[in-house]
Amino acid sequence: QITLKESGPTLVKPTQTLTLTCTFSGFSLTTSGLGVGWIRQPPGKALEWLALIYWDDDKRYSPSLKSRLTITKDTTKNQVVLTMTNMDPVDTATYYCAHKGVYGVLDYWGQGTLVTVSS
Amino acid sequence: DIQMTQSPSTLSASVGDRVTITCRASQSISSWLAWYQQKPGRAPNLLIYKASSLQSGVPSRFSGSGSGTEFTLTISSLQPDDFATYYCQQYDTLWTFGQGTKVEIK
Repeated sequence: QITLKESGPTLVKPTQTLTLTCTFSGFSLTTSGLGVGWIRQPPGKALEWLALIYWDDDKRYSPSLKSRLTITKDTTKNQVVLTMTNMDPVDTATYYCAHKGVYGVLDYWGQGTLVTVSS
Repeated sequence: DIQMTQSPSTLSASVGDRVTITCRASQSISSWLAWYQQKPGRAPNLLIYKASSLQSGVPSRFSGSGSGTEFTLTISSLQPDDFATYYCQQYDTLWTFGQGTKVEIK
């Protein structure tokens, strides 16, 4: 059974750096073809893909946010970490992590964590 | 970047209705398209992958079709549990979501 869970601060101040952790179980990020991605959703708005890391440590970023994002993995802890710099109130959103299957689809999602950016 | 456009943005329907949602890609994505259902306060739930493959555990009243740039999600007979927001997503080149279609009670 694949499960993922996001953790991190619920409130950050403008200009600060956000660090979110995705802790997962039921699969290994050393398995060929797999990946873990991050997606966010501002209140009442659509989903936006942010970043994804592959089993081989290859990484992909949203072109519009690439300069602010870093994704890393710790396979020994079954964790993937996303950092986003220079946070702004428009970054207020629920942040989800998700499992990427062999064929690319994001098939299992965490419950999400709401991050509010406010001074 | 590949853009995904869904229509309509909102759809009013009754229980038992046949419902169709359309998704258009800005360039060909072959069949690398997924559909998700999302209810308020919940994570998205995968319904369809590779344009027409039903995810395990998803009721057979959901179906997907299309390839290239034009795709549809059909609910053959709308059930009370189906009132939600639906998103398409391409995974041909990176990942991009449509803006969502809210299916509400008529």
